[in-house]
Formats: sequence, structure tokens, C-alpha cells
Amino acid sequence: GAGVSQTPSNKVTEKGKYVELRCDPISGHTALYWYRQSLGQGPEFLIYFQGTGAADDSGLPNDRFFAVRPEGSVSTLKIQRTERGDSAVYLCASSAGGTDTQYFGPGTRLTVL
Amino acid sequence: QKEVEQNSGPLSVPEGAIASLNCTYSDRGSQSFFWYRQYSGKSPELIMSIYSNGDKEDGRFTAQLNKASQYVSLLIRDSQPSDSATYLCAGAPPPPAAGNKLTFGGGTRVLVKP
Repeated sequence: GAGVSQTPSNKVTEKGKYVELRCDPISGHTALYWYRQSLGQGPEFLIYFQGTGAADDSGLPNDRFFAVRPEGSVSTLKIQRTERGDSAVYLCASSAGGTDTQYFGPGTRLTVL
Repeated sequence: QKEVEQNSGPLSVPEGAIASLNCTYSDRGSQSFFWYRQYSGKSPELIMSIYSNGDKEDGRFTAQLNKASQYVSLLIRDSQPSDSATYLCAGAPPPPAAGNKLTFGGGTRVLVKP
């Protein structure tokens, strides 16, 4: 079956602009996670959704970052007033339940000029 | 201080040899650990999960967990060039934390030479 998909695969934007990154989880998976991976480092947790609600958003670095999952399926990560330090690969993962294996999407490479 | 530590490598091993990777963690309450493989430019792929002290084997891979010493290791037997990748160690928080918010180490780059 289809895996986790993310769009766009690459996003180049200018400092100060607003961006949206989309994640389409595996069908039926109730848990959805966003991570951020900088070059040469491991993924860093941002936010976890169980269904439609954000069960844990402790990893969001500041209030410029926001994520939604209005219907419990697709999720959008929104970044306002982008900064060069936001440049990274944004990974989405989904799992059948909160403690099950996480399957990662291919990621969105964000570059802020 | 990073909560999950790994040697960044590269760990260079000849083809057919055993690759030994280590990971230490600081949260003594963590109970679940995972090894992911990540090829350059690709997303992480789960290789092994381990929850109990001792060894767990799956094909050419063996994961070892020692909660008293707070380390996790991964052995890759009969290493192949296709095993060349970055291996990420991750831990999940103990209950009653919601979900499996993974804390990753920085990864160990493995290079298998023919």
C-alpha cells in the first residue's frame, strides 16, 4: 500500500516568507509526527498528533511554527516569517497507534535564502 | 547535553566483517529503543526495536539493550556494501508520556568497503 507522502519535496523561500508543508499519512494511521533534521544530525521531534488533536507540541521551537490536522488524516506544518535557521529537512511519520512503529515519509527539504 | 549519544563515525568495516555500533542514553526511564537506517538523501527506515534487556536478533542484525548501563548497541554481521548508511539510535519516553516521541542520536555513519 501507499506509504507516507509529503509535499513539496523541495521548497525554496526567502527570509520572512510564510510556508506550508503537507503530510499525507498511511491510511488508517491515527498517530502523526513531525520531525526536523538538520544536516549531519538526527531528526528532532516537533509535534505529535493523535487523531485531530496535538497531543504533544513541546518540540515546536517558537510561535512561528504551527501544525494542524483538522480531519485526523492530512497534516500541514506552517512556518511564519521564515528564518535562515529554519532550513532543514522536515520529516513526517505516522503509526497505527501512539506506541506503534513509525513510518517516515520522504521529507520536505526547506531552504530559506 | 544530548539525551541520546552516538559516535558520528565514519565506522569503516571490510565486507563480510561485523559492524558494531553503540548508543548511550541519559533518560533512565526510557523503555523502548529503535535503530533506524538512513541512506544519504533518504528518510529513516526502521531496522530493529528492542524493549527488554538482552539481545534481539533479526537476520544479520542483533540489537542489545543494557538498561543498567544505559546503552544500546547494534551488530551487523556479514556486512555488505549495501549496509553503508547512517544508523540512527532512538529512544521513546516512558509512560505516561503520550505517544512515541522519539529522541534520536546524531547517527553513526557506516562505510562497508568491498
